[in-house]
Amino acid sequence: DTEVTQTPKHLVMGMTNKKSLKCEQHMGHRAMYWYKQKAKKPPELMFVYSYEKLSINESVPSRFSPECPNSSLLNLHLHALQPEDSALYLCASSQDDTHYNSPLHFGNGTRLTVT
Amino acid sequence: AQKVTQAQTEISVVEKEDVTLDCVYETRDTTYYLFWYKQPPSGELVFLIRRNSFDEQNEISGRYSWNFQKSTSSFNFTITASQVVDSAVYFCALGRGSTLGRLYFGRGTQLTVWP
Repeated sequence: DTEVTQTPKHLVMGMTNKKSLKCEQHMGHRAMYWYKQKAKKPPELMFVYSYEKLSINESVPSRFSPECPNSSLLNLHLHALQPEDSALYLCASSQDDTHYNSPLHFGNGTRLTVT
Repeated sequence: AQKVTQAQTEISVVEKEDVTLDCVYETRDTTYYLFWYKQPPSGELVFLIRRNSFDEQNEISGRYSWNFQKSTSSFNFTITASQVVDSAVYFCALGRGSTLGRLYFGRGTQLTVWP
């Protein structure tokens, strides 16, 4: 079983909806990430949080809004999405930002469909 | 610029065959990290191995082995006596020594093992 838990597993939303993706880890990791993966493509980095502060935003549109309420939780708030935003959204965590070679631990992902 | 090339898009083998997945990387960094991840149909990216640029020792873990050669910028992955459960997409990824979480993924190799 994965140690990074993502909910929901599947989400269908309209372009005017507001929804949130949730991610939780209890490994004591202090860095957390959101990746987006389109079908048959590699994952693409969206955001990095280090010690609950946003450290990297890969020029992601503002309709995606990340939030890190505490060291174990990471949310991704979605609003006014487009059909092309349909993808698998993966959350990951790693030890902290002093261990650049620390492997990322990924969750199972949320498969998002925007209609 | 960082780049990872996995030239094999799809590989099909019959159970018990050995199979090698190729990975070639490009970077000008002297400190970098190489990873292999497995992504089964469930979607989770499973960490398999990490290598840093200063450690060219090959590694064997059960039926898995990795061959890291800096001279050819390659980090190949061999599965011995493949099994149906090995069927998945395998990603090779490059991490920089100075940037947390920004993994440069290859496009992945879909491995199918037939019974």
